[in-house]
This record gives sequence, C-alpha cells and structure tokens, in this order.
Amino acid sequence: SAVISQKPSRDICQRGTSLTIQCQVDSQVTMMFWYRQQPGQSLTLIATANQGSEATYESGFVIDKFPISRPNLTFSTLTVSNMSPEDSSIYLCSVDLIGADEQFFGPGTRLTVL
Amino acid sequence: EDQVTQSPEALRLQEGESSSLNCSYTVSGLRGLFWYRQDPGKGPEFLFTLYSAGEEKEKERLKATLTKKESFLHITAPKPEDSATYLCAVHTFSGGYNKLIFGAGTRLAVHP
Repeated sequence: SAVISQKPSRDICQRGTSLTIQCQVDSQVTMMFWYRQQPGQSLTLIATANQGSEATYESGFVIDKFPISRPNLTFSTLTVSNMSPEDSSIYLCSVDLIGADEQFFGPGTRLTVL
Repeated sequence: EDQVTQSPEALRLQEGESSSLNCSYTVSGLRGLFWYRQDPGKGPEFLFTLYSAGEEKEKERLKATLTKKESFLHITAPKPEDSATYLCAVHTFSGGYNKLIFGAGTRLAVHP
C-alpha cells in the first residue's frame, strides 16, 4: 500500500472563493485520481491527473471549475473554483500503485461552502 | 452504460447475526471488482479484489465472492466494529484509461 496525505483535512469557505487541495503520496504511482463524495452519496470520479499534461475530466466536470495539476509522480492539486454551497462535499485523492490494480485513497478533504 | 448497484442501502444486524451484501453490475471490459470499507469521515479502505467468476477472497469475518453479474460480501458473526459503509467498485478500461465506477454503498450497523 501507500501513505497518502491530503491538505487541508477540512475547510469552511465563503461563496465565490476558491480552495486548492493538495495530495501527496509517499511512493511513485502510475495514476492519481480525484473524486467527489457528496453528503450521503458514493464516490464520483472528477478527473484523472496526468503527469506533465492536462487532466482527463469525466462527463459533467470541467477544467475551469476544477483545475488540476500534477507536477511530478507523487503530488497533485485540485482547485475548486468560484465555490457555491452545492460544492460542499468530501474531496478524495486516490492512486494506482505501480504493479497493482486496486486504488488506494487518501483521508479526504471535507469542504463546506457557506 | 456501465452501472453498479448495491443492496440493501442499509442493514442492521445483531452481533453474531451473519448476512450478505450484494453488488450487481453491468459493465463492458471488466478488469476486476473491488470491495472497500469506509468509516465516517475517512477515505475508503481497500478490502478485496476479485477478477473472475468463481473467485473467493477471505479476511477475518469477511468473504467476497464473484459471479458474472454480481458479487457478494458475506459477513460471518459480525461484531460492532464491523459497522461501516461497504462500497463495491468495478474496474473498467474506458476511453483509453483505467477507471473505477462505484456503487452507492451499503451502510452496515452491528449492534451488541
């Protein structure tokens, strides 16, 4: 497995502002992913963070709203832009380890937008 | 369209009362099926990977099985610490890359 950390663990933000979430893993991984988990619901994939190129977004998610960076093999950021209360969710980072099929998840970032 | 459905949505058991959770799926290009456990306020914790029909995996009081259309997570003699949400996810290869599609989960509560 891998040790995955996310910062911040939680935040309360005002409508119209932006928040950047960081994900750091302690070993090199092939893929990094960002998920959203809205209250009481399951996980929805936002995008796959590609190293050195633009992220691949799922249907319903766009780069202007959720810009993603992945400058190296162990670090990625997700920004939630121009936030509204509907963006209140848990945001989770996950990774594919080299040689493994399963994804491992970080502890999540709990975001509340007022 | 790829889809994963879990049932029941919620399950309440007495300590020691065995039961099963169901995960049914319709996907193209299945590469595996995963079970995760999620405690409140935490990220999902990996439990099992199943790759082919007939395969079984066990860990303590949990056993996961797989058929061509569904998977079961059997819980034998559960304890209160088994209380959590159990998530099923299918691993597919779509659009040129790997992705996981999650079910909505089963919230399990085990009471002493």
